[in-house]
Amino acid sequence: NAGVTQTPKFQVLKTGQSMTLQCAQDMNHEYMSWYRQDPGMGLRLIHYSVGAGITDQGEVPNGYNVSRSTTEDFPLRLLSAAPSQTSVYFCASSYSFGGDRGAAFFGQGTRLTVV
Amino acid sequence: AQKITQTQPGMFVQEKEAVTLDCTYDTSDPSYGLFWYKQPSSGEMIFLIYQGSYDQQNATEGRYSLNFQKARKSANLVISASQLGDSAMYFCAMREVGGFKTIFGAGTRLFVKA
Repeated sequence: NAGVTQTPKFQVLKTGQSMTLQCAQDMNHEYMSWYRQDPGMGLRLIHYSVGAGITDQGEVPNGYNVSRSTTEDFPLRLLSAAPSQTSVYFCASSYSFGGDRGAAFFGQGTRLTVV
Repeated sequence: AQKITQTQPGMFVQEKEAVTLDCTYDTSDPSYGLFWYKQPSSGEMIFLIYQGSYDQQNATEGRYSLNFQKARKSANLVISASQLGDSAMYFCAMREVGGFKTIFGAGTRLFVKA
């Protein structure tokens, strides 16, 4: 009963380093997305995907890349980390719209610090 | 463009009393869904309740109910009989049926006093 598995839980990066946040879901959800959570700003959408091979930008996509080669996996890549990317990152998945079936299941979050 | 506004950064409520958390939204899509999520201090996100734009009745889930006023574009969460475990961040979110993006408000932190 895994749901959405997100790794790592914590990460410290130096400015300029790159890394990939992993996200996998086992519920056969079509829709997956990445958010960042900053104090006072709620969750802001970074990128999302409506199926394998299809991705699109959200509200704050700069500095991040995504790909969706399978239904299950949706990794988020930080290309060259900056202190402004210090945040808590959440991966989420859901079915395509269908009432409350469209509710998102979230991973446990990744607390990223860029120094 | 989609927009969610939560104007109450923090709220206090006495244990066993009811509390209303405000949410207003903006969209040009006639078909959309509204969601509320709870984030306890442990950090996980928990889905609470859903309201569809064409639903005739306000949604209810146990102690949670949604006061949906479509003309005013508001979807306030009402928690009845507050418990200490209700202390958390609460987020309102919206998803347009014609799109795939779910956007969130800034959240309201609820403190339940014993």
